[in-house]
Amino acid sequence: SQKIEQNSEALNIQEGKTATLTCNYTNYSPAYLQWYRQDPGRGPVFLLLIRENEKEKRKERLKVTFDTTLKQSLFHITASQPADSATYLCALDRVRAGNNRKLIWGLGTSLAVNP
Amino acid sequence: DGGITQSPKYLFRKEGQNVTLSCEQNLNHDAMYWYRQDPGQGLRLIYYSQIVNDFQKGDIAEGYSVSREKKESFPLTVTSAQKNPTAFYLCATAGLNTEAFFGQGTRLTVV
Repeated sequence: SQKIEQNSEALNIQEGKTATLTCNYTNYSPAYLQWYRQDPGRGPVFLLLIRENEKEKRKERLKVTFDTTLKQSLFHITASQPADSATYLCALDRVRAGNNRKLIWGLGTSLAVNP
Repeated sequence: DGGITQSPKYLFRKEGQNVTLSCEQNLNHDAMYWYRQDPGQGLRLIYYSQIVNDFQKGDIAEGYSVSREKKESFPLTVTSAQKNPTAFYLCATAGLNTEAFFGQGTRLTVV
């Protein structure tokens, strides 16, 4: 079955540095890979989506890369701020026959940005 | 104001009771999902529906039931058969080729 692995340990970085989070997957080739942010006690919020034929996607201070050979996506936050502290989730997305979509989620990586 | 609304935010259930969690959306999305989130276990899929009057079991459907009588609504019932229902429940929707949109969640506690 499909499996996603994210950094299990919390990531602590200093304000202004670049945070890099990893998402590795096995046993499947997704059509899309998505990244979400989740704050405590709230639902995840979508950040970026990258397609299998894309190598990189950017949005403001966020950058996602997608290496289908390594089966890995990297999520970067540049010039990090304490407000970026949250849990970040990656999800594989595959559109099956009849548009039967079923996202497969990683456990998330907790990021703490220290002032 | 478009979006997805879950209610209630907090819910307490007595042993042996059935409770129903509400999920309503006005995004006109066909696909709707229910997830359960426990500490350290990530999001686990309970049920999902791709179209009105049709739904499929997810990975942990035992002890839960759903209905999809309207496109806008996908309520989840936690039955007495669910032995460990205390968790954070999240409802989500997705359009074709779009990201998932989540509600704010319902925290269910057995008392």
